[in-house]
Amino acid sequence: QSALTQPASVSGSPGQSITISCTGTSSDVGGYNFVSWYQQHPGKAPKLMIYDVTKRPSGVSNRFSGSKSGNTASLTISGLQAEDEADYYCSSYTSSSGVVFGGGTKLTVL
Amino acid sequence: QVQLQESGPGLVKPSETLSLTCTVSGGSISSYYWSWIRQPPGKGLEWIGYIYYSGSTNYNPSLKSRVTISVDTSKNQFSLKLSSVTAADTAIYFCARSGELEPLLYYYYYMDVWGKGTTVTVSS
Repeated sequence: QSALTQPASVSGSPGQSITISCTGTSSDVGGYNFVSWYQQHPGKAPKLMIYDVTKRPSGVSNRFSGSKSGNTASLTISGLQAEDEADYYCSSYTSSSGVVFGGGTKLTVL
Repeated sequence: QVQLQESGPGLVKPSETLSLTCTVSGGSISSYYWSWIRQPPGKGLEWIGYIYYSGSTNYNPSLKSRVTISVDTSKNQFSLKLSSVTAADTAIYFCARSGELEPLLYYYYYMDVWGKGTTVTVSS
């Protein structure tokens, strides 16, 4: 299972919106609505932000939203805040009953 | 509030077996899925595999021949063994739980509680 493809970096100013893409294949992202997103601050463990493509776990801000079209999933963060600066990873269930992560995207808040 | 803590040697010699334990506190291990994920220095996350509390397992195909995950419900712990390690296995190793995100619904492909991670270096 190859890693899902994410942009290496994205940036935005406070208050703006940004979108991070995550491209896979029909064997993972495109084949199932089991896509999730994780936020990881430096030196910390990842935190689940989105699951089932669009759902937010309890306690996650509604500024975070997810979507999917074909083999590409997306994470959108609206009203960007300094605390959102972190690495973001997408993840998907795979046809081999495994789990595959994306390579990660570094978000910089300007 | 459930907490997970990884423990084990921080240095392993090439060709030897890496062994880590994850201790679960604040809740019982006798439910849900329990996973291992690793992150090489400066790189992305890689799923290693999971164990269900009953003992059933599923591993990343790329690591399957070298990985064993086991559970000890009496100690509220689960463990990872990775054999024949090389420098490419140097990473931060995280343990994680796949718990209920909605009432009575939990799936191994979503990890909702993570340990802080432990660094393992493979070097002679």
